[in-house]
Amino acid sequence: AQKITQTQPGMFVQEKEAVTLDCTYDTSDPSYGLFWYKQPSSGEMIFLIYQGSYDQQNATEGRYSLNFQKARKSANLVISASQLGDSAMYFCAMREGGYGGATNKLIFGTGTLLAVQP
Amino acid sequence: DTAVSQTPKYLVTQMGNDKSIKCEQNLGHDTMYWYKQDSKKFLKIMFSYNNKELIINETVPNRFSPKSPDKAHLNLHINSLELGDSAVYFCASSHLSSGGGANVLTFGAGSRLTVL
Repeated sequence: AQKITQTQPGMFVQEKEAVTLDCTYDTSDPSYGLFWYKQPSSGEMIFLIYQGSYDQQNATEGRYSLNFQKARKSANLVISASQLGDSAMYFCAMREGGYGGATNKLIFGTGTLLAVQP
Repeated sequence: DTAVSQTPKYLVTQMGNDKSIKCEQNLGHDTMYWYKQDSKKFLKIMFSYNNKELIINETVPNRFSPKSPDKAHLNLHINSLELGDSAVYFCASSHLSSGGGANVLTFGAGSRLTVL
C-alpha cells in the first residue's frame, strides 16, 4: 500500500501568488514525522519543513507552512509569495516511529513539479 | 565546508563493470543512508548504517554492498553493473535519537550513474 501520495504531478503558479502542494499519508503508527524536501533542477535535495504527529501547531519556516490535518491524514505544503526560484520538484516524505524511531527511515512520495511563471 | 559530499558526481561505465561511490559527512551525525532515485524521480531507501552498524537493508540485489569504515563515511560498491542500475544515488546523514528533534536527513548532491 502506498504510504505517501502526491496526486499533483505538476503545477503552475504565478509569481507572488501562494500555492498549495498536496500530500496524503497512511500509517497506523500514532507517532510519525512528515517532511517536505525541494529538488531544483540542479539535483540536490533541500530540506524545507518538518511536522511531528504530536505537534500541536502547524509548522512554519519563512514562506513555507505545513497545513497538517491529522484526521484527514494530509500534510499539504503551502508556499506563500512564490518566487521564480521556487520552481522545482517537491517531495513529501514520512517517517514512522516518532522522532527517531528505530531507523529514521523516510518513505517518499512521487513528487510534484512546480513551475513558477513570471 | 560541504556537509555531505559524494564522489564521483558523474559515473559512466559499461555493463558488467564494478564501481564504487564514496560518501563522507562532517556534520557529526551517527547515521548514514543510501537512497536511489530512478528515472521517474522516485526516491527509495537502500541502506542505512548507525555507528557503523547496518540498520536498514531494503530489498536490493546483493550486487550492491555498502561499507561503513566509520560513522562519517559510507561507501556503496556495485558489482556486475546492469542497465537498470542507471540512476542517481544519494547519500544522506542524520542523527538518530528518540529523545526529541526531527532527525532531519541532510542529503549529498547525488551521484549520477549511467550504465551503457
